[in-house]
Amino acid sequence: RKEVEQDPGPFNVPEGATVAFNCTYSNSASQSFFWYRQDCRKEPKLLMSVYSSGNEDGRFTAQLNRASQYISLLIRDSKLSDSATYLCVVNNNAGNMLTFGGGTRLMVKP
Amino acid sequence: EAQVTQNPRYLITVTGKKLTVTCSQNMNHEYMSWYRQDPGLGLRQIYYSMNVEVTDKGDVPEGYKVSRKEKRNFPLILESPSPNQTSLYFCASRTRLDSSYNEQFFGPGTRLTVL
Repeated sequence: RKEVEQDPGPFNVPEGATVAFNCTYSNSASQSFFWYRQDCRKEPKLLMSVYSSGNEDGRFTAQLNRASQYISLLIRDSKLSDSATYLCVVNNNAGNMLTFGGGTRLMVKP
Repeated sequence: EAQVTQNPRYLITVTGKKLTVTCSQNMNHEYMSWYRQDPGLGLRQIYYSMNVEVTDKGDVPEGYKVSRKEKRNFPLILESPSPNQTSLYFCASRTRLDSSYNEQFFGPGTRLTVL
C-alpha cells in the first residue's frame, strides 16, 4: 500500500462547479499535511497547509480527519485557471521527509 | 527574488557519461532535497541534506550521489547514467524545521533523457 494515496482522476468539471479531492495516508504518526499544486511540466507550489481544525483560503477549503487518516480539498466556483494536478503531501518523520501522493488531475472546462 | 535554481533545464545524454545537475537556493535554507518524478509514480525523494556536510538517502538513491559543501548548493551527480534514470528532476529547499509546516520551495525542474 502506498503511504499517500490519491485518485489520479482526471476530474473534468465545468466552470463554476464545486469539486472535492480526498487523500489517504497510512502513517498514523504523520505530523503535518499540505496540498501542493503542479501545472503541467512545472514545479509543485504550495497551495495550502492543512491544519487539524480545517482551514479555508478563498475558494479553497482543506480538512483533516486524523481518525480516518485522510485529508480533503474542496474547490468552490471552479475557474479555468484551477486546471492543474493537486498533490497531497504528508510530513512523516519529525519533519525530515515529505511524502507525496501521485496527484489528482483537475480539468475545468468552459 | 527568493528562488531555487537548477541547471541544466534540459539534458540529453548517453549511457555511462557522467553528469551533474546543479541546484542552488538563495533563501539560506538548511534543508535541501532532490526528487524525481515519473508518470504513475509521482514524486520520489532521491537524497536530502539537513545542513552542510550532512546528507542522507531518500526512497530511491541508487545510481545517484550528492554533496553539500556549501549551504546554498546541492548538486546531484549521476556517475554512470542509465536509461532508467530518464526522468524529470526537482531540487527543493526549506528552512530548518522548528515548525513542521514550513513551506518547501522547488526549482523549475531538469528534464533528463538518457539514451
